[in-house]
Amino acid sequence: DGGITQSPKYLFRKEGQNVTLSCEQNLNHDAMYWYRQDPGQGLRLIYYSQIVNDFQKGDIAEGYSVSREKKESFPLTVTSAQKNPTAFYLCASQPPAGTEAFFGQGTRLTVV
Amino acid sequence: AQSVTQLGSHVSVSEGALVLLRCNYSSSVPPYLFWYVQYPNQGLQLLLKYTSAATLVKGINGFEAEFKKSETSFHLTKPSAHMSDAAEYFCAVSPISGYSTLTFGKGTMLLVSP
Repeated sequence: DGGITQSPKYLFRKEGQNVTLSCEQNLNHDAMYWYRQDPGQGLRLIYYSQIVNDFQKGDIAEGYSVSREKKESFPLTVTSAQKNPTAFYLCASQPPAGTEAFFGQGTRLTVV
Repeated sequence: AQSVTQLGSHVSVSEGALVLLRCNYSSSVPPYLFWYVQYPNQGLQLLLKYTSAATLVKGINGFEAEFKKSETSFHLTKPSAHMSDAAEYFCAVSPISGYSTLTFGKGTMLLVSP
């Protein structure tokens, strides 16, 4: 089945540690996105990539980094510079000349 | 610039009652419009989308939405609520131009009581 896979579903880390969230898609979509979701704030765009080896900052990129070495993969690293990393993170992809985005099941990150 | 406003962070209805979730958008160019649903600890699932064809759009699970350009609205409705409709609903907008990031509203939690 085609889709977007995020792993892990739950992630716990100590404050000050970097952590990488995985996002893999087999839909052959060019564009991929990372959103952060906090209660009552909707979805906020962290980074997006429309082609391999290229990515752009979204609205809340500070404290995050990404890479796009393969079309299928768009990992997100939450660095120690992110002041409030505890949140639900959603990865999405979009087909060429597409309209809607397709979402993974999310990763809930808790920093203690 | 584009933005989305969803009126009401929470909406409560009784099972069998009409569901109405409000969405107003602001966009400098004609937009695409979407409604997504999210169940707890899940990703977002597309309910329906408006892509400049028919203004009344039918989606999954009996939901529909009407695009009203004069009111810059795209309200979501369902004639009869079911307990399984309890979830969070997001309205989103994107411009009609190639790859475009979606801008989301803050979401409306739909509560359905028996």
